[in-house]
Parts: sequence; C-alpha cells; structure tokens
Amino acid sequence: DQQVKQNSPSLSVQEGRISILNCDYTNSMFDYFLWYKKYPAEGPTFLISISSIKDKNEDGRFTVFLNKSAKHLSLHIVPSQPGDSAVYFCAASVWAAGNKLTFGGGTRVLVKP
Amino acid sequence: DGGITQSPKYLFRKEGQNVTLSCEQNLNHDAMYWYRQDPGQGLRLIYYSQIVNDFQKGDIAEGYSVSREKKESFPLTVTSAQKNPTAFYLCASSDGQGLSQPQHFGDGTRLSIL
Repeated sequence: DQQVKQNSPSLSVQEGRISILNCDYTNSMFDYFLWYKKYPAEGPTFLISISSIKDKNEDGRFTVFLNKSAKHLSLHIVPSQPGDSAVYFCAASVWAAGNKLTFGGGTRVLVKP
Repeated sequence: DGGITQSPKYLFRKEGQNVTLSCEQNLNHDAMYWYRQDPGQGLRLIYYSQIVNDFQKGDIAEGYSVSREKKESFPLTVTSAQKNPTAFYLCASSDGQGLSQPQHFGDGTRLSIL
C-alpha cells in the first residue's frame, strides 16, 4: 500500500514558466513533508520542507504548499530553469516515529530551453 | 567539506556471496539510514539507526544486516538471503533524534549480480 503517491511520472515545461509537482498521501499521521531533487547516479538533494502546522513554505524559486484536509502537497518552481531538469521526490514522516521517510515514486521534470 | 561518503560506487556480487556497502559521514549526525531504489521507483527504507549501538528494521529489512559501532559509520551487508539485490543503495544521515530534520544523502552504490 503506497502511502505517498506522485501520480504524474513526468512533466515537461518551457524555461521561465512555472513547474507544479503534486503529491498525495494517505497516512494522516504524517506531520513533516519534504521535496528532494535527484540526478541520475547521484543521491537525492534536499530542496525544501514543510511541517504540518504550516500551509506554505517558500525558499527562493521553490514554494511548497500543504493542504492537510485533502492530504495533498505541491511544489512550485518559478521560474523553471534547464538545470531544474531532474527527478523530484516527495517524502513524508511522522515526527514521533523517528524521522523515517516514506517516499513517493518520483516525477521526472524536463525544462526545455 | 562535510558530507556522506558511500563506497564503492559500483559493486558486483556473485550468487551466494555476502557484500558490504560502506557509509561514512563527518556531519556529526546522530541518525543514519539505508534506502534502496529500484528503477522507476521511489526509495524504500531498509534499516535506520538513531544512535550508536542501536538500529531498527525499516520496511524491507529481510536479507540485509547493519551495524552501528561508531557514530560516523553505518555499513550495510547484503546477504545471500536477499533474493533480488540488484538495486541502487543510498545512505543518509540527519541531525537530532526523532526531530524533523531533513536527511542528507550520499551518492549511492549500484549493486549488480554477476
């Protein structure tokens, strides 16, 4: 049973436009959410996180939105750049359970120049 | 520079052999984790350790073993009992015990069966 799902396996966007990546979860106990970026043959790089007490967190070009009632989070990248082309994973954890992360299956983003 | 070092980058195993993947961190992090990634899929937790000399099973621990004798080291052994070991293995660490801190990853070891 997948507790974290990224339903779009891929996304193509023009340079300078907005990229919107979506993530749904089923476990209502999750209270900490993260986005990671991954290039082939490398480890994931942490991008941005949000705790369940917030509904928005912004860091430069990256903004994460959390809708707890819908069990949905999204990552907005504005403006998109060719270097943003990578696979993006959302992940979730339960604070009381030792920060174990449950990952979604990833969304491959291609930013076209 | 602080970081997480995984070695080797590529590893080949013969049927019936045990192999050990190395993970070292100099970030002074308390917690360390091992994940497995299969093609086109997300990461799945194998084992984790929140403190030296203690570790817990993750979601897919069967066929794997770990040790945590030093804070900076968390080696993973893929035993012959793991029937499908071919995968990309990632080690991570984070600061704090049970606190919401992002995990930081090494660059992985790709294990293949000969």
